[in-house]
Amino acid sequence: DAGITQSPRHKVTETGTPVTLRCHQTENHRYMYWYRQDPGHGLRLIHYSYGVKDTDKGEVSDGYSVSRSKTEDFLLTLESATSSQTSVYFCAISEGSRNEQFFGPGTRLTVL
Amino acid sequence: SQQGEEDPQALSIQEGENATMNCSYKTSINNLQWYRQNSGRGLVHLILIRSNEREKHSGRLRVTLDTSKKSSSLLITASRAADTASYFCATDALDTDKLIFGTGTRLQVFP
Repeated sequence: DAGITQSPRHKVTETGTPVTLRCHQTENHRYMYWYRQDPGHGLRLIHYSYGVKDTDKGEVSDGYSVSRSKTEDFLLTLESATSSQTSVYFCAISEGSRNEQFFGPGTRLTVL
Repeated sequence: SQQGEEDPQALSIQEGENATMNCSYKTSINNLQWYRQNSGRGLVHLILIRSNEREKHSGRLRVTLDTSKKSSSLLITASRAADTASYFCATDALDTDKLIFGTGTRLQVFP
C-alpha cells in the first residue's frame, strides 16, 4: 500500500469516548487525507493536510479534528465518538493536490 | 457538492467479456481519475485523464472523457475474475484542490 500504514486496523469503542486514528507514511508526500467510507455514500473527505501544521476541512468535518506535527504522521481524533461515526476510515497521500492518491489499508471503527 | 456519479451501480459479466462503467459530474474539472477497490482494501489508482484529453489507455483499460457532456467512461476489455472489485471515479473541480469521489460501480466477473 505505497508506504502507508494505519493504526489501529480495527477498533470498537463506546459512545462518548475519545478515539485517535493514526496514519503514517514513508513516502515524504506533502498531502495527506482522511476519508470515511459508508454504504451508499462512497468516499467522503473529512480533513486534509497540505504540510506540517497546515490542515483544512473537508466535506464531513464536524465531530473530527486532525493534527500533523511531522511530515509522516497525520492523526484523526474523534473527541467524543458517536454511533454515526461508525465507518471505515481511509488515509491517503499524494505529492500534489491534483495528483493520484495512494490509500492506506483502512481502519474499521465501530461505536457502540 | 460536485460529485461523480457512476452508472451502473452494479454490473455482472462473464470472464472474457468487456465491462463498461460510466461517470457523470456536475462542474468543470481539471482532471478525472479512476480507482479500483477490492473488498476490504484501500483504493488503488488506475488512471488519470486531464480535461484536455479525450481518451487514454493503460493495458486493458480504456478511459474516455467528454467534457461537453461532463461524463467519462471506463472500459475493461477481456475481463478476468481478478477484475472483480468496485470502481470509483474522482474529479477535481477548477476552483478546488480536493478530489470528490463517486459512489462507485460494483463489478462482478464470473469465471
